[in-house]
Amino acid sequence: EAGVVQSPRYKIIEKKQPVAFWCNPISGHNTLYWYLQNLGQGPELLIRYENEEAVDDSQLPKDRFSAERLKGVDSTLKIQPAELGDSAVYLCASSGGLAGTGEQFFGPGTRLTVL
Amino acid sequence: SQQGEEDPQALSIQEGENATMNCSYKTSINNLQWYRQNSGRGLVHLILIRSNEREKHSGRLRVTLDTSKKSSSLLITASRAADTASYFCATGPIQGAQKLVFGQGTRLTINP
Repeated sequence: EAGVVQSPRYKIIEKKQPVAFWCNPISGHNTLYWYLQNLGQGPELLIRYENEEAVDDSQLPKDRFSAERLKGVDSTLKIQPAELGDSAVYLCASSGGLAGTGEQFFGPGTRLTVL
Repeated sequence: SQQGEEDPQALSIQEGENATMNCSYKTSINNLQWYRQNSGRGLVHLILIRSNEREKHSGRLRVTLDTSKKSSSLLITASRAADTASYFCATGPIQGAQKLVFGQGTRLTINP
């Protein structure tokens, strides 16, 4: 069974540029998460989807971040415009059981560097 | 915001020794999970312990949970070089948003 797929793995951009990350969850997993992980820290939830509905986006900086999960499968996270402080690893995860309270399966992440 | 605090922040031991990491949290939980993250890679789920459980085993892993002290420990026995990684505890709350809240992690180094 394929795991959670993310692309790109690495992205280097200049500040004020837009950037987008893509995630393909494990087949059949209805719940999809985007996390931000700063160096030396644990992941912090940005947004959680149940199928195509964003059910928890309270931690998403909506002035510059947006996300979508069309058709309840793949998801895209966008930052526009990027700031220096956005440099981090963006992790996507999915789960198939009780939303958020069971095991989550993580992708390898996208390491973003903003110059 | 992060609920869990792992202790120690970094741990270095010799191969074959046992490694113990601790996690403390603040609010009531439904379950507590431990994840491992190798350098430059995603997180891998290790074990889940529910709030009504006190101890759980999986291979060389032993997890304990003390809800009265709001703390958990992860013991890795007979450590191997491949166990070198960062270990995170994550709590699943009883109420509120159904989301895992991760701690800051313990960086474990196993020396050959």
